[in-house]
Amino acid sequence: DAGVIQSPRHEVTEMGQEVTLRCKPISGHDYLFWYRQTMMRGLELLIYFNNNVPIDDSGMPEDRFSAKMPNASFSTLKIQPSEPRDSAVYFCASTPGAERTQYFGPGTRLLVL
Amino acid sequence: AQTVTQSQPEMSVQEAETVTLSCTYDTSESDYYLFWYKQPPSRQMILVIRQEAYKQQNATENRFSVNFQKAAKSFSLKISDSQLGDAAMYFCAYRSGKTSGSRLTFGEGTQLTVNP
Repeated sequence: DAGVIQSPRHEVTEMGQEVTLRCKPISGHDYLFWYRQTMMRGLELLIYFNNNVPIDDSGMPEDRFSAKMPNASFSTLKIQPSEPRDSAVYFCASTPGAERTQYFGPGTRLLVL
Repeated sequence: AQTVTQSQPEMSVQEAETVTLSCTYDTSESDYYLFWYKQPPSRQMILVIRQEAYKQQNATENRFSVNFQKAAKSFSLKISDSQLGDAAMYFCAYRSGKTSGSRLTFGEGTQLTVNP
């Protein structure tokens, strides 16, 4: 099993630009989570999906952030426009419905200049 | 709301020795799960061990074991025969058992250094 796949692994962009982060969950996992990790706030959940439907997006910081899951094997997290305070490591994780362990991807390190 | 606290920002251990990382949590639920994740410099989050609250027996995975004290809401991680590759940030995490797929709540993390 390839595990959770995220792309890109690193992203450097300028303030105001649109950023799209991508995630492919483990096949058969019907839950997908987006987390953000910063020094100031630690690890925090942004949003999660069940069967491609957003269940809890209360962690999404503001309207500049949006997430989609068009099918069971793909999700995106978009930031538009990006700001320097969005600089963080963004993790995607997935879990099968009957199992309660979340498996994390390698993360995307985002730097907004 | 559930909270997870790791009171040790940094710990160090000599190679081949044993170290224990502390974690406490606060919850009013009776059904939940606890996890230890390891984050090496590569920043990937790697599951180390998990514990179901309904199980009295402490979980063990090779050199890693936990001391789960439900009444005290304590969940410490013991690493035996420490190896250089164990050096990482360790996060304790809580997950409600109410619905599958609910969010993980993480502690602040403990940075473990292994000295040769």
